[in-house]
Amino acid sequence: AQSVSQHNHHVILSEAASLELGCNYSYGGTVNLFWYVQYPGQHLQLLLKYFSGDPLVKGIKGFEAEFIKSKFSFNLRKPSVQWSDTAEYFCAVFLEGGSQGNLIFGKGTKLSVKP
Amino acid sequence: DAGVTQSPTHLIKTRGQHVTLRCSPISGHKSVSWYQQVLGQGPQFIFQYYEKEERGRGNFPDRFSARQFPNYSSELNVNALLLGDSALYLCASSLDNEQFFGPGTRLTVL
Repeated sequence: AQSVSQHNHHVILSEAASLELGCNYSYGGTVNLFWYVQYPGQHLQLLLKYFSGDPLVKGIKGFEAEFIKSKFSFNLRKPSVQWSDTAEYFCAVFLEGGSQGNLIFGKGTKLSVKP
Repeated sequence: DAGVTQSPTHLIKTRGQHVTLRCSPISGHKSVSWYQQVLGQGPQFIFQYYEKEERGRGNFPDRFSARQFPNYSSELNVNALLLGDSALYLCASSLDNEQFFGPGTRLTVL
């Protein structure tokens, strides 16, 4: 079955540190890729998405992600985190040809940024 | 503009009972999806509806059902509740391939 793996369950960083959250998926076909963020007490919000084209995509709040097809990966990065980035981050995959509403999510990575 | 709204925000039920959760999509969105998020896990797909028709179903038992109304709002129904149904139930409406999530309904089954 198709799956999404997020390797880090909880990441703790100090402000200004660089961030990289790993995401791998298991599916050999065409995929659309997403990163969602859930701030404490708020609903899921889209950070960025990849459908096609340039594999380096930029999202909101200084986040970016790189799609590496050969590694089935879509890692999220930010050069310098802020305390306000404390949240839970979810990687998700939409399988081309599948039900449009069917996103497959990873288990999430909780990011804690120390001021 | 109003986002996706869900009601109620919290709900407590006992085993064996039935529950109905409601969702109103963003204006103009015709597709609604439902997800279950158990504590410590990512959301898991339950159903998708588009123009009142079921377009997809996840790996959930027949106790779970849903429907979509002419105004594109949707209901998720769960019968014969089990303790394991305790979760945050998320509704998302979509335009093209981007989904917009509501705040969820927190269901606790005692």
